[in-house]
Amino acid sequence: DAGITQSPRHKVTETGTPVTLRCHQTENHRYMYWYRQDPGHGLRLIHYSYGVKDTDKGEVSDGYSVSRSKTEDFLLTLESATSSQTSVYFCAISVGGQGLNTEAFFGQGTRLTVV
Amino acid sequence: GENVEQHPSTLSVQEGDSAVIKCTYSDSASNYFPWYKQELGKGPQLIIDIRSNVGEKKDQRIAVTLNKTAKHFSLHITETQPEDSAVYFCAARGAGRRALTFGSGTRLQVQP
Repeated sequence: DAGITQSPRHKVTETGTPVTLRCHQTENHRYMYWYRQDPGHGLRLIHYSYGVKDTDKGEVSDGYSVSRSKTEDFLLTLESATSSQTSVYFCAISVGGQGLNTEAFFGQGTRLTVV
Repeated sequence: GENVEQHPSTLSVQEGDSAVIKCTYSDSASNYFPWYKQELGKGPQLIIDIRSNVGEKKDQRIAVTLNKTAKHFSLHITETQPEDSAVYFCAARGAGRRALTFGSGTRLQVQP
């Protein structure tokens, strides 16, 4: 699992509440990513980070924000959760080099249900 | 941006048979193509990858082929076993891009 820990692993929350998911890595990798996985869509990139305080949007970033104040932690926040954000969220890291053409490894996922 | 299409969405084979999963991509600048296996309740696990300067790569029973002209790549699993049953995802990363674009997945079932 390349030293990636996601927390929580499961969460149920109500519509309109804020939610923060945490990704923690132990190997000092520069590049970290948040994906969501939904049936029929594979994995879609939400946001990624290429260093402390350096982040950028992915293809499905609306309704999400991220923060990276330390190399080891990448936080994903749903400011006001909606039912469409019910999904499984995966954190990933890139190993080696500049994050380009390098292998990506995934955490175990967080199953989020918004009711 | 990149678009990756994956076929078939489900595949059922008998133990010992071969399985082939195909993906096409849209960005001709893409140069890295990994394959992931995902078991129930787990995160995707990298099983093999190929870069654009290589046409084929093999690792025991798994092989990946890449046709840059046609913009497609395929995963080949030979002598399938029940433990190969899982969802498989292809992905592509364009030159200069920092993240992968994934196909929609193939559920492979190997019948004993």
